[in-house]
Amino acid sequence: KAGVTQTPRYLIKTRGQQVTLSCSPISGHRSVSWYQQTPGQGLQFLFEYFSETQRNKGNFPGRFSGRQFSNSRSEMNVSTLELGDSALYLCASSRGLALSYEQYFGPGTRLTVT
Amino acid sequence: EDKVVQSPLSLVVHEGDTVTLNCSYEVTNFRSLLWYKQEKKAPTFLFMLTSSGIEKKSGRLSSILDKKELSSILNITATQTGDSAIYLCAVIFFGNEKLTFGTGTRLTIIP
Repeated sequence: KAGVTQTPRYLIKTRGQQVTLSCSPISGHRSVSWYQQTPGQGLQFLFEYFSETQRNKGNFPGRFSGRQFSNSRSEMNVSTLELGDSALYLCASSRGLALSYEQYFGPGTRLTVT
Repeated sequence: EDKVVQSPLSLVVHEGDTVTLNCSYEVTNFRSLLWYKQEKKAPTFLFMLTSSGIEKKSGRLSSILDKKELSSILNITATQTGDSAIYLCAVIFFGNEKLTFGTGTRLTIIP
């Protein structure tokens, strides 16, 4: 079956702009988690959505937000972009909550903020 | 604050060697520890270790959880060039429900 897909794969934005990233989970998976990966900080948890509800949130400012739709697809939005937001954004899906089920990661969206 | 530390940060070995990667955690209310392999972009799941399942093995890869030392090791025997990747360790804590990742170990296998 098809894996987790993320769009777009690459994105270049300027400071102050906003961006929306999309994640389509594996069919039948109800949980989607988002992560930010940078060389200095490694992989950091952003948030997890399950059945259209945010279940958990990491330590990121309010500029980072997300949502999940009834078909389990999820979007992540970053407003007022800063240079430090340049990173690889990964989403992962699982059948149930991530704490109990294996997560499958997508290929990521590489965001560059100039 | 809960913390996950991996060592070494990077490792270069020759094909055929055996490697041991370490992951230690400073946590309260440990629930489970996971190992992932990241080759280019998407991390792929390797093992999940819990208090009821402290040892896992799959082919040349194996992992053990040491609850007393608050650590885990990932062992790879007879390494191959395809094992070159970043190996990530993540811990889940009761009451937190999120994965806290270490910064990873970059493993390079020289032919």
